[in-house]
Amino acid sequence: ETGVTQSPTHLIKTRGQQVTLRCSSQSGHNTVSWYQQALGQGPQFIFQYYREEENGRGNFPPRFSGLQFPNYSSELNVNALELDDSALYLCASSSDGGREKLFFGSGTQLSVL
Amino acid sequence: GNSVTQMEGPVTLSEEAFLTINCTYTATGYPSLFWYVQYPGEGLQLLLKATKADDKGSNKGFEATYRKETTSFHLEKGSVQVSDSAVYFCALRIQGGSEKLVFGKGTKLTVNP
Repeated sequence: ETGVTQSPTHLIKTRGQQVTLRCSSQSGHNTVSWYQQALGQGPQFIFQYYREEENGRGNFPPRFSGLQFPNYSSELNVNALELDDSALYLCASSSDGGREKLFFGSGTQLSVL
Repeated sequence: GNSVTQMEGPVTLSEEAFLTINCTYTATGYPSLFWYVQYPGEGLQLLLKATKADDKGSNKGFEATYRKETTSFHLEKGSVQVSDSAVYFCALRIQGGSEKLVFGKGTKLTVNP
């Protein structure tokens, strides 16, 4: 049990739609990172938020955006969904800007049809 | 750029067999190295880590040694159990910036009784 919860666990959307994925971090963790894990691949870094500000971004287009809230929750928003966005989305929380141990949630499985 | 290469899976072993999963990396700068494990239906969990050359990480009977000269971080266990069946990911993190993790593609291990 990592103390990081994600919702929903599964989601089906159609191409062109928008989606919001949610993550609740461990209390006291001021850093949240989001990763995309395509089938049969390792997780790829999307971005990180530290104290509610974006603190680094991977090679993902601007239609991937995020928010982090003071109550240790966060969101990943994806606009104009594409078929290739189908993947498991993982959030990971940590303290001290991500230099400490990461605690991963179980993920949201997104299918884009 | 920064990348991690893991041996192709899946790997199938009998209980009490010796396990090796190879991992090599390419990094600009000085990385910390990690092994994460993903059990079915769960998020990633940190298995072990090493932060500098010649460090040995160990946990739950698993070991890996940071070899700078061969840019490797191979995972080993002397006697696997059925409960070790999972997907194993090698990862690196470059110090500074967003502290993002760069993952390999993962190696699925199945241990049969």
